[in-house]
Amino acid sequence: EPEVTQTPSHQVTQMGQEVILRCVPISNHLYFYWYRQILGQKVEFLVSFYNNEISEKSEIFDDQFSVERPDGSNFTLKIRSTKLEDSAMYFCASSRARGETQYFGPGTRLLVL
Amino acid sequence: ELKVEQNPLFLSMQEGKNYTIYCNYSTTSDRLYWYRQDPGKSLESLFVLLSNGAVKQEGRLMASLDTKARLSTLHITAAVHDLSATYFCAVAYAGNMLTFGGGTRLMVKP
Repeated sequence: EPEVTQTPSHQVTQMGQEVILRCVPISNHLYFYWYRQILGQKVEFLVSFYNNEISEKSEIFDDQFSVERPDGSNFTLKIRSTKLEDSAMYFCASSRARGETQYFGPGTRLLVL
Repeated sequence: ELKVEQNPLFLSMQEGKNYTIYCNYSTTSDRLYWYRQDPGKSLESLFVLLSNGAVKQEGRLMASLDTKARLSTLHITAAVHDLSATYFCAVAYAGNMLTFGGGTRLMVKP
């Protein structure tokens, strides 16, 4: 069964460093998303992406964040200058069409020291 | 701003018992989802509910949606240990952005 994959599974970085989290959505899906979950808290929406552009973003998704689909398979989230409060599990998700079920990847656990 | 509230936040139950998790949301929506999350794992899609009165069942889990009351329920029948997990409802509002509830951590004891 097709699934969303994410790399790396864990990332430790120093405050102020840039990180890139990578995702490979399900191959026939057209909508891509990033969510985050701070330990023990609820899942929060960051951004959705369709047709090579951002379609929605939350207040969390400020100028420090960017997304890109550099090729036909990868979808990346870049955090330009990490802060301690960026420590969280970051989930990528994809859906075939608007309104259809979003399928989540296994997540990247980011720890900012 | 859409708010999604689940209760209870924590539920400890015995195997074989029935229970219901509630999900209330503050703004009209056309889609509601239920996800399951095992500790340290990703979110697994359980149900998507699209219309008022929708009811879906899979095994011991049954989800329903009342859009007029802005309420969804996830009913567990004759719980077994394997159902122990955290369950999230998520509501879609004005697009694809999902707003999640705080989750209900379910522990099923033998």
